[in-house]
Amino acid sequence: TQLLEQSPQFLSIQEGENLTVYCNSSSVFSSLQWYRQEPGEGPVLLVTVVTGGEVKKLKRLTFQFGDARKDSSLHITAAQPGDTGLYLCAGSNNAGNMLTFGGGTRLMVKP
Amino acid sequence: DAGVIQSPRHEVTEMGQEVTLRCKPISGHNSLFWYRQTMMRGLELLIYFNNNVPIDDSGMPEDRFSAKMPNASFSTLKIQPSEPRDSAVYFCASSFGSANSGNTIYFGEGSWLTVV
Repeated sequence: TQLLEQSPQFLSIQEGENLTVYCNSSSVFSSLQWYRQEPGEGPVLLVTVVTGGEVKKLKRLTFQFGDARKDSSLHITAAQPGDTGLYLCAGSNNAGNMLTFGGGTRLMVKP
Repeated sequence: DAGVIQSPRHEVTEMGQEVTLRCKPISGHNSLFWYRQTMMRGLELLIYFNNNVPIDDSGMPEDRFSAKMPNASFSTLKIQPSEPRDSAVYFCASSFGSANSGNTIYFGEGSWLTVV
């Protein structure tokens, strides 16, 4: 079983601060996805990274896939209350069409 | 376009009762997933169908759980008999193509199950 560990589990910050969330594994993934989940809803895909070392930007969010494709990070610049939610990373491998999810980072951005 | 549609949104049932959760995937999607989410265990994959055929059910916790996909537009997850430890949010998700190619998986809003 491939495991993904996310850190920190909980993060409470003030509006305007920067933050980084980490997703680590001992396994190699063919691709890695980041999702955001708001209360009462299902996870929504933010980004997919497939190449080692790849960096993708989505407005104030920067996603990086590790060179060895075992880890990833999500950096948020100037966080806003609307960024509040559960951030999940999920990896897939070449063996099948399945995603393994990390435990999530619960982010709260206070105004 | 409609997303993944799940029903019921909320269900409270007594231990020992049968529970049936329903899912309508996005039209045209050929992969369907059932996940369970709890605070303790996070989001766990229960079973995955491709072209209506169960491909991997290794995540189904016990024989009390069963899932079917009789056609491309409908799937059910059944728990019989239900137990309090089955209380969780159950998500159905669908996609076109494979996750390992970076295809998007779309989640429904979930079915919140409480077994008392």
